[in-house]
Amino acid sequence: SQTIHQWPATLVQPVGSPLSLECTVEGTSNPNLYWYRQAAGRGLQLLFYSVGIGQISSEVPQNLSASRPQDRQFILSSKKLLLSDSGFYLCAWSRGVAKNIQYFGAGTRLSVL
Amino acid sequence: DQQVKQNSPSLSVQEGRISILNCDYTNSMFDYFLWYKKYPAEGPTFLISISSIKDKNEDGRFTVFLNKSAKHLSLHIVPSQPGDSAVYFCAASALGTSGSRLTFGEGTQLTVNP
Repeated sequence: SQTIHQWPATLVQPVGSPLSLECTVEGTSNPNLYWYRQAAGRGLQLLFYSVGIGQISSEVPQNLSASRPQDRQFILSSKKLLLSDSGFYLCAWSRGVAKNIQYFGAGTRLSVL
Repeated sequence: DQQVKQNSPSLSVQEGRISILNCDYTNSMFDYFLWYKKYPAEGPTFLISISSIKDKNEDGRFTVFLNKSAKHLSLHIVPSQPGDSAVYFCAASALGTSGSRLTFGEGTQLTVNP
């Protein structure tokens, strides 16, 4: 069966510090991978998605970047965090086919102080 | 432009009764719709989906209805249980969308009272 791992579960970072959130998927190959953010009281906003190694599409211009160094690894990064980067970050995967279901990780609660 | 909208931020029902969560969309290219359930501090969990070629899909206590002409879908939970209390998101995708992206609504907080 497939599983998705996301860490850390919570993170408190000062403004201006760097960020690295990691997500890995097990039990499948060549998945589509996604990073979402859920701000307090808001819906899920797609930040990045990837259909293959080194292929990253950005949905919203911002202070964040994403990389996919391996088939089942997706990393969300920032060089300098802003207060507005606080939120709940979710990684998800799907099979690369139409009418796909996305499966989510447990999420990372990021607080930028 | 909010292409998927859940106009009710919250809904409260009594245990054993029916819960009806609603979702509207504007993009006529959407052809696949999903419902997710989310508990606090957890990732969303897939519940049920429906393709645009159908108008109803049922899975146990959960039924999703799709009205394409009205661009409206709803999730029915019968009977509702306290464990169903969570935030419910509807999502939509368009066939052929690069990366199979989903567009999510803002969510509805369902509270089922014992």
